[in-house]
Amino acid sequence: DSGVTQTPKHLITATGQRVTLRCSPRSGDLSVYWYQQSLDQGLQFLIQYYNGEERAKGNILERFSAQQFPDLHSELNLSSLELGDSALYFCASSVAPYNEQFFGPGTRLTVL
Amino acid sequence: DQQVKQNSPSLSVQEGRISILNCDYTNSMFDYFLWYKKYPAEGPTFLISISSIKDKNEDGRFTVFLNKSAKHLSLHIVPSQPGDSAVYFCAASNNNNDMRFGAGTRLTVKP
Repeated sequence: DSGVTQTPKHLITATGQRVTLRCSPRSGDLSVYWYQQSLDQGLQFLIQYYNGEERAKGNILERFSAQQFPDLHSELNLSSLELGDSALYFCASSVAPYNEQFFGPGTRLTVL
Repeated sequence: DQQVKQNSPSLSVQEGRISILNCDYTNSMFDYFLWYKKYPAEGPTFLISISSIKDKNEDGRFTVFLNKSAKHLSLHIVPSQPGDSAVYFCAASNNNNDMRFGAGTRLTVKP
């Protein structure tokens, strides 16, 4: 158990819909990262927050957005969903940027 | 963009032998490298890291080697055990903390 929690574990929705994925970092970790892993693909970095502020942005689509709240939990919002958005979405946290990251168990999103 | 590449999607070794997983990167600004291990239905877990000021880091059966001039790193597992069977991801980062992951190598250790 990494100490990072993600909800929900599974999510099935239809094209065009909007979903919110939630992540609670390890106690004491200020940095939160979001990754997407599509079938047979590596981990694609989406976005990073540090203490509530966006710090780095990767290959995140404009239809996707995220935020980190004062209690340090983070949400990833995916809108206008397409079939290709079906993937595992991982959240990770670290004490500070440039430290090893601890990953949550992931949310499996299926878009039908 | 494929800034971190793991060119072998899979590797199979016999229990007790050495496993060598390779990783190449293209961005010379990367200065911190990590290996993660992932079991099915779980998130990746941190295994070992190395900073660019070193060329080797060892932790038990796991050793990471870094060749900066070749922009290449490798993970050695000696001796390999069946429980090491997993997908191994190489990752690289710079001081902007823009961490990039490779596509992963699936290691199978046969008893």
